Amino acid sequence: QSALTQPASVSGSPGQSITISCTGTSSDVGGYNYVSWYQQRPGKAPKLMIYDVSNRPSGISNRFSGSKSGNTASLTISGLQVEDEADYYCSSFTSGSTLYVFGSGTKVTVL
Amino acid sequence: QLQLQESGPGLVKPSETLSLTCTVSGGSIINSNYYWGWIRQPPGKGLECIGTVFSSGNTYYNPSLKSRVTMSVDTSKNQFSLRLTSVTAADTAVYYCVRVGGSTGWYYFDYWGQGALVTVSS
Repeated sequence: QSALTQPASVSGSPGQSITISCTGTSSDVGGYNYVSWYQQRPGKAPKLMIYDVSNRPSGISNRFSGSKSGNTASLTISGLQVEDEADYYCSSFTSGSTLYVFGSGTKVTVL
Repeated sequence: QLQLQESGPGLVKPSETLSLTCTVSGGSIINSNYYWGWIRQPPGKGLECIGTVFSSGNTYYNPSLKSRVTMSVDTSKNQFSLRLTSVTAADTAVYYCVRVGGSTGWYYFDYWGQGALVTVSS
């Protein structure tokens, strides 16, 4: 069982905005500003999209943004494109024994 | 551009030891202030951090796997390795090697290998 809770699926039409939530506890998401998000296309390795809650690595489109409120972090994809179809995973540093925890993953479908 | 590449057997028998090596190119393990790690993903499932290792050899292991895991670094070859003993079918997964990055510590996985599928079966 994953430590962080994500919706199983989110969908939207091209051009729309969608938001994926990632809910944890005060020991992980709520306790640290070390939430990261990863995009995984079928058969490929995950790719870092957001780190430290809201920072984008070089080369990542500004259509991807991250935020956090309390124990819930969010990834927003604006101007949804077909190429955004993928699984998205959140992760957080944790004071728990596992050190790093992941979410269960969210499948994004572009209608 | 930093690149990571996993290598090792794709099939391991139950109760035997899984061994994987990650070769780092485009950067040096020894001259970096990064941890290096292994993450696995069972077919159709989510991600699990197995553990991390520093160039000095300092390690962190996921408590759920700690009794079976050993990670090490070979700075002369710019490689780091994973050994997982007494494997079962539950260890069947794609294994990714990663770099653990962060500005004030090590908090996210910024470079990933392409992944190596390891199947545990007799």
